[in-house]
Amino acid sequence: GAVVSQHPSRVICKSGTSVKIECRSLDFQATTMFWYRQFPKQSLMLMATSNEGSKATYEQGVEKDKFLINHASLTLSTLTVTSAHPEDSSFYICSARAGWGLNTGELFFGEGSRLTVL
Amino acid sequence: AQTVTQSQPEMSVQEAETVTLSCTYDTSESDYYLFWYKQPPSRQMILVIRQEAYKQQNATENRFSVNFQKAAKSFSLKISDSQLGDAAMYFCALNSGGSNYKLTFGKGTLLTVNP
Repeated sequence: GAVVSQHPSRVICKSGTSVKIECRSLDFQATTMFWYRQFPKQSLMLMATSNEGSKATYEQGVEKDKFLINHASLTLSTLTVTSAHPEDSSFYICSARAGWGLNTGELFFGEGSRLTVL
Repeated sequence: AQTVTQSQPEMSVQEAETVTLSCTYDTSESDYYLFWYKQPPSRQMILVIRQEAYKQQNATENRFSVNFQKAAKSFSLKISDSQLGDAAMYFCALNSGGSNYKLTFGKGTLLTVNP
């Protein structure tokens, strides 16, 4: 159990276009989802935290108008990179916290999405 | 604020040998969770082992074990009988709880396993 699926795994787009990445919890309800960005050979950088039905909380330095996050249901969060530019090219990873009562502190990760902006 | 420090950017080990990856952390919370995640070339984050701060006993998962020193805020990972499939980036992570359960990651240690 506790599977998180991310789609698409790879996307290439032209500069100026918008790209949407989906993160789904397949077998559990995710009260909270997190979006990370990872540059090559570096650690995961938290971009934002999204709670179902409320606005996302962005980390300092992350442009909320550039990276739109929607968490419309307990199983789906989306990250939209608006007006993408080559510097937005990166690996984006989502993770989810289960809403069940057992508190393990564990987060479950998606497979990641590699965005390349030409 | 919470921080996680991994002081070894790269480590290597011979197949079947044992290797220890270091991690130190800082948090003002008394109740928290510590994790080691593995990220192979596929980039999928895989949970290796978890430790609850209130538990004194060190966690073990088959060939993986931790040395949790709460007073020293140290959380090292020991991999025994290393296998080629263990080669990956290893991240130490801290979750201090709170309403959102954000994970703070270290910078990672790239482990190479030599045949």
